[in-house]
Amino acid sequence: ELKVEQNPLFLSMQEGKNYTIYCNYSTTSDRLYWYRQDPGKSLESLFVLLSNGAVKQEGRLMASLDTKARLSTLHITAAVHDLSATYFCAVEVGNQFYFGTGTSLTVIP
Amino acid sequence: DADVTQTPRNRITKTGKRIMLECSQTKGHDRMYWYRQDPGLGLRLIYYSFDVKDINKGEISDGYSVSRQAQAKFSLSLESAIPNQTALYFCATSLPRDSWGAFFGQGTRLTVV
Repeated sequence: ELKVEQNPLFLSMQEGKNYTIYCNYSTTSDRLYWYRQDPGKSLESLFVLLSNGAVKQEGRLMASLDTKARLSTLHITAAVHDLSATYFCAVEVGNQFYFGTGTSLTVIP
Repeated sequence: DADVTQTPRNRITKTGKRIMLECSQTKGHDRMYWYRQDPGLGLRLIYYSFDVKDINKGEISDGYSVSRQAQAKFSLSLESAIPNQTALYFCATSLPRDSWGAFFGQGTRLTVV
């Protein structure tokens, strides 16, 4: 059974602090995606990582992929309140997308 | 207008009723998916379709059926709704091994009472 595990599930952090969300998956995949979901809203694509060692950055968020370790990270730098949301990773395997359980991030002023 | 449109956006229905959730897309993608989201469980795949004649069960297909009426339309039916089908349902589309991943509709919040 393919598993995609994220940790932490809940994260409360102060503005200005740094933190990393981890996404581990249990099978070989060279395609990993990060999505953001605001409460009651749809999922918005943040990053697409297509190869080992891929790193993408957008604003205060940076994502990386290590396919050998089956691990992706989403690093948050100097958090601001607007980053409060739920973040999902997803791996693409066999033409399907498998999602992690999500990390609910709350940034406290 | 949204590229992936779901109707209705919210629905309350009674146990035992049949209900259909509809999804239409203007992205021209062949692949369409139905997911359900429950708190703490992430998104779980119900059904997926790679073209009009290709429909596949996902992880949690029991109690659900689908119809791919056209490339742009993919409907999800609950033949006899039960309370544990209360969830947020998402339709998504994608291209084969595209570099953009999946695109999601706005979601349908379904409550079965």
